[in-house]
Amino acid sequence: EAGVAQSPRYKIIEKRQSVAFWCNPISGHATLYWYQQILGQGPKLLIQFQNNGVVDDSQLPKDRFSAERLKGVDSTLKIQPAKLEDSAVYLCASSSWMTQYFGPGTRLLVL
Amino acid sequence: DQQVKQNSPSLSVQEGRISILNCDYTNSMFDYFLWYKKYPAEGPTFLISISSIKDKNEDGRFTVFLNKSAKHLSLHIVPSQPGDSAVYFCAASGPGGSEKLVFGKGTKLTVNP
Repeated sequence: EAGVAQSPRYKIIEKRQSVAFWCNPISGHATLYWYQQILGQGPKLLIQFQNNGVVDDSQLPKDRFSAERLKGVDSTLKIQPAKLEDSAVYLCASSSWMTQYFGPGTRLLVL
Repeated sequence: DQQVKQNSPSLSVQEGRISILNCDYTNSMFDYFLWYKKYPAEGPTFLISISSIKDKNEDGRFTVFLNKSAKHLSLHIVPSQPGDSAVYFCAASGPGGSEKLVFGKGTKLTVNP
């Protein structure tokens, strides 16, 4: 069974630029999550989708972050404009019942 | 407000000995707990979980113990192997079947040959 796919794996941008990340969850998993992991911290949930609907986006900085999952499968997370403090690993996960399975993450560096 | 705490940033053990990683939580409504293992440049990998209706769950070399009254859980790895060297994250979810996970900051385990 294929795991959660993410791209790109690495991205370097300058502050105020925009960036987008892509995620393809495990086949059949209806729930998809985006997490932000800052160095030395545990992952922090940004947004949770159930099919193509948003379940929880309470910790998503909506002034600059947006996410969509239009067809209930793939998802994109966008940051516009990026700030220095957005430098982190962005993890996508999908779940079957109570267990979440993570992709390899996208490491973002904002200069 | 750190709802899930892993107070030991690092732990070093000898190969073959037991590794014990600890985790404390503050929200008594959490009802499902998971341990993830993370290697550098990879995403977290699910290791083992436990429901609040149990106090122990075992899978091979890995055992998770839950003490609800103390709001404490621990992961035991016996015997430890050099390949177990990684960062271990404790996570909690709930209540009521909520799938939202709250993670601790992680403990870096080093198993020395």
